[in-house]
Amino acid sequence: GENVGLHLPTLSVQEGDNSIINCAYSNSASDYFIWYKQESGKGPQFIIDIRSNMDKRQGQRVTVLLNKTVKHLSLQIAATQPGDSAVYFCAENIPRDTGRRALTFGSGTRLQVQP
Amino acid sequence: NAGVMQNPRHLVRRRGQEARLRCSPMKGHSHVYWYRQLPEEGLKFMVYLQKENIIDESGMPKERFSAEFPKEGPSILRIQQVVRGDSAAYFCASSRDPQGPNYGYTFGSGTRLTVV
Repeated sequence: GENVGLHLPTLSVQEGDNSIINCAYSNSASDYFIWYKQESGKGPQFIIDIRSNMDKRQGQRVTVLLNKTVKHLSLQIAATQPGDSAVYFCAENIPRDTGRRALTFGSGTRLQVQP
Repeated sequence: NAGVMQNPRHLVRRRGQEARLRCSPMKGHSHVYWYRQLPEEGLKFMVYLQKENIIDESGMPKERFSAEFPKEGPSILRIQQVVRGDSAAYFCASSRDPQGPNYGYTFGSGTRLTVV
């Protein structure tokens, strides 16, 4: 769904710990999901994606888990580093009758890594 | 291989003026998307364009806002008669064919519009 005027939730972790960022997506028909990282003053940066026919995908230090039953997506970051401090957004593609494919973004979570 | 290029990075306009935001997609990308972001908020979809076509403008305000992606040149997001509520960061993203299996967007660095 879309955030409407709310401050971002914040997750604070110690350097070296694992981080888990959660996202509840809006539409059970969504077939493709992406996690983006946005640092202050910059555009969103692609981290990892997953299709709806999968429930887990791993990258370098990151893992995305998809639970379609409860419409839940999570991003796990292993051995969190100060450079991971940013706002993280999940995005979903909702298939449309018109054929439009454009991503809908969640409200975001701010990750703060304490040294 | 340049990424998505947006300019200007910062734009200040007085109320009532026009704002023009430009976006050049990545090489090989023919699909452009514009999003708006208010401070401490997520990205809200505005419009999706292909060359010379508006595919979906369901997120565009009905008045004062328009977008184009001509055959030659960058995509332009145009805001006429700006008001203070238009102050935001405007991000452009591009992708390859979104009907393909994976089509994650590449975003530009955004244009930060301030209306005074």
